[in-house]
Amino acid sequence: AQSVAQPEDQVNVAEGNPLTVKCTYSVSGNPYLFWYVQYPNRGLQFLLKYITGDNLVKGSYGFEAEFNKSQTSFHLKKPSALVSDSALYFCAVRDGAAGNKLTFGGGTRVLVKP
Amino acid sequence: GAVVSQHPSRVICKSGTSVKIECRSLDFQATTMFWYRQFPKQSLMLMATSNEGSKATYEQGVEKDKFLINHASLTLSTLTVTSAHPEDSSFYICSAPRMGVTDTQYFGPGTRLTVL
Repeated sequence: AQSVAQPEDQVNVAEGNPLTVKCTYSVSGNPYLFWYVQYPNRGLQFLLKYITGDNLVKGSYGFEAEFNKSQTSFHLKKPSALVSDSALYFCAVRDGAAGNKLTFGGGTRVLVKP
Repeated sequence: GAVVSQHPSRVICKSGTSVKIECRSLDFQATTMFWYRQFPKQSLMLMATSNEGSKATYEQGVEKDKFLINHASLTLSTLTVTSAHPEDSSFYICSAPRMGVTDTQYFGPGTRLTVL
């Protein structure tokens, strides 16, 4: 079985400050990890993924995430948040040996205040 | 980039009617597509996996006779909500992994279904 936890329902940050959105996961095999962003009444947009290789992954819109195997975490980060980053963020995982089925975390709403 | 479209984007229907939602991969082929349901302020719940040329695979607790899925071609999957009721009102999202490009699913913009 695979699962994802996003411990924070909402994260508030001032524009220009660093943004971190937390994610921890559980899989029996090798984890394939993803971050998606969703704007109101829209589908999900892919931000970045970790499959293998460098633990620090860089993605779209200045976001990055660090894979930490010992802590089973994949936190999303942005050095300087923008008001336009306000959205709903989802972490997702799939077991590398279990096909394409993704399991999503509960989502974290990010609010960036000017 | 890979683009997935959904039609319609919004639909309002009367209770008891059926509604069909289309999911298309516009610039790539997909032997598999996924259908999700999202309740307000909640995460995505996988409903079923649509397989081109074969039957869909439904997640536990999802009624296959209620939510009919047909994967007619390598670029089209349809979800039909039969005999819709107000509790079926939700945001339905499809996704497709791109053949030959591993590991990344591309999501459609979603369809907002409101059953009166």
